[in-house]
Amino acid sequence: GAVVSQHPSRVICKSGTSVKIECRSLDFQATTMFWYRQFPKQSLMLMATSNEGSKATYEQGVEKDKFLINHASLTLSTLTVTSAHPEDSSFYICSAQTGGEEGEQFFGPGTRLTVL
Amino acid sequence: AQSVTQPDIHITVSEGASLELRCNYSYGATPYLFWYVQSPGQGLQLLLKYFSGDTLVQGIKGFEAEFKRSQSSFNLRKPSVHWSDAAEYFCAVEDSWGKLQFGAGTQVVVTP
Repeated sequence: GAVVSQHPSRVICKSGTSVKIECRSLDFQATTMFWYRQFPKQSLMLMATSNEGSKATYEQGVEKDKFLINHASLTLSTLTVTSAHPEDSSFYICSAQTGGEEGEQFFGPGTRLTVL
Repeated sequence: AQSVTQPDIHITVSEGASLELRCNYSYGATPYLFWYVQSPGQGLQLLLKYFSGDTLVQGIKGFEAEFKRSQSSFNLRKPSVHWSDAAEYFCAVEDSWGKLQFGAGTQVVVTP
C-alpha cells in the first residue's frame, strides 16, 4: 500500500513556542490530506481537510489561527501549532488520500506533541 | 449527522479463540464503512471496507466484516486470533465529502 510519513514522530516544546509537523505521501500524489487529533484512549477527531493549492477547511471548533495548515505540493502538508500550550499536547495524525472515485486514506504514524 | 458507536471499549480474548468487534452506525444514506487497526508506533492500517455489493467483506490478516443494514451494524470478526492481533481497532463511516468519522475504538488484548 501507499506510504505516508510524519516528521517528527515526537516533539517536546515549551509553552508559547510554535511547532511544525510535516506529513508526506512518499509514493503517490495526494490532492487531499487530512489532519486528525487523538487524545489518550480516545478516537481520532478530524481537525481539517487540506487541499493542495488552496486554503484548508477546518472542522467546527478548530481554531484556524492556532493550527496553521499548508499544502504546498501534492506530497507535502504541514501543520503548525502556533503559540502552543499544554492543552495542545496530543497525538496528531495525518492521512493522504489517493485519487479516483474511491480514493483511500493512508495514515501517517502520528506525531506525539508534549507542551511543557 | 452521521455517528459511529463501538460499544466495547476493551476486549480480552485468548489466542486461538474467535473475536468479534461490534460497530453500529447512524447515517442517512448508504454508508461507506471501514475498519482500521492501530498498533503502537504505527499508523492506522485499513483492514477492510464496504462500499456496496456483497455484505460480507473479506479483509487482510484473516478479518471479515458483515454489513447489516437492518441492524445498522458492521461487525468485525476473526475466527482465530493471534498474539499479533493485540491492538486498537476503529470502525469508521465516510460522509459524502470523503471525511471519516471514527468510533471510540476497541482495545483488544490477547492472552496466551
